[in-house]
Amino acid sequence: DGGITQSPKYLFRKEGQNVTLSCEQNLNHDAMYWYRQDPGQGLRLIYYSQIVNDFQKGDIAEGYSVSREKKESFPLTVTSAQKNPTAFYLCASKLAGRYEQYFGPGTRLTVT
Amino acid sequence: AQSVAQPEDQVNVAEGNPLTVKCTYSVSGNPYLFWYVQYPNRGLQFLLKYITGDNLVKGSYGFEAEFNKSQTSFHLKKPSALVSDSALYFCAARRDTGGFKTIFGAGTRLFVKA
Repeated sequence: DGGITQSPKYLFRKEGQNVTLSCEQNLNHDAMYWYRQDPGQGLRLIYYSQIVNDFQKGDIAEGYSVSREKKESFPLTVTSAQKNPTAFYLCASKLAGRYEQYFGPGTRLTVT
Repeated sequence: AQSVAQPEDQVNVAEGNPLTVKCTYSVSGNPYLFWYVQYPNRGLQFLLKYITGDNLVKGSYGFEAEFNKSQTSFHLKKPSALVSDSALYFCAARRDTGGFKTIFGAGTRLFVKA
């Protein structure tokens, strides 16, 4: 899992509540990503950020929001507008000029 | 649209036998290709990549992959499987220019039986 930390490992929330997932990296990577993993569907990109104070929507951004105020941090907020938020969330980072991504250990979110 | 296909949901192999996990891709331009491995309730770990050059690339833990442009494939291989290789394997691809997104396949679960 390298130098990327995600917290908490497991998170339980009631429907209608917003929740923020933490992602921190000490690899000095420029780009950071959030993916959602559901069984049998692989990884789907939620948001990504190439540099501080800039981010772009991925394929499934609806109901999610992010910020990138610091290079090492890229928190993801799952809002009450996300219709099916229960999933495994993975944060990743990448060094500029390289192509492979490095992943954190993930946060499993359960919303009931 | 760009896509990555892993045609097998599951691959079963006996320990000591060679293993192959298949991947085909559809990417405009020249593809950059990757294999990642995921153990239960963990993040993905990078195994290897093809960017350019030799079609056979070697990676971590004895894995290798062969890029075949005519068949648009990038199959993962290992000469002798270990029980500890049992995990979920993801193939991924991205364009060489004009894009920042990496597309992931749905994953193939590998079971290595002792």
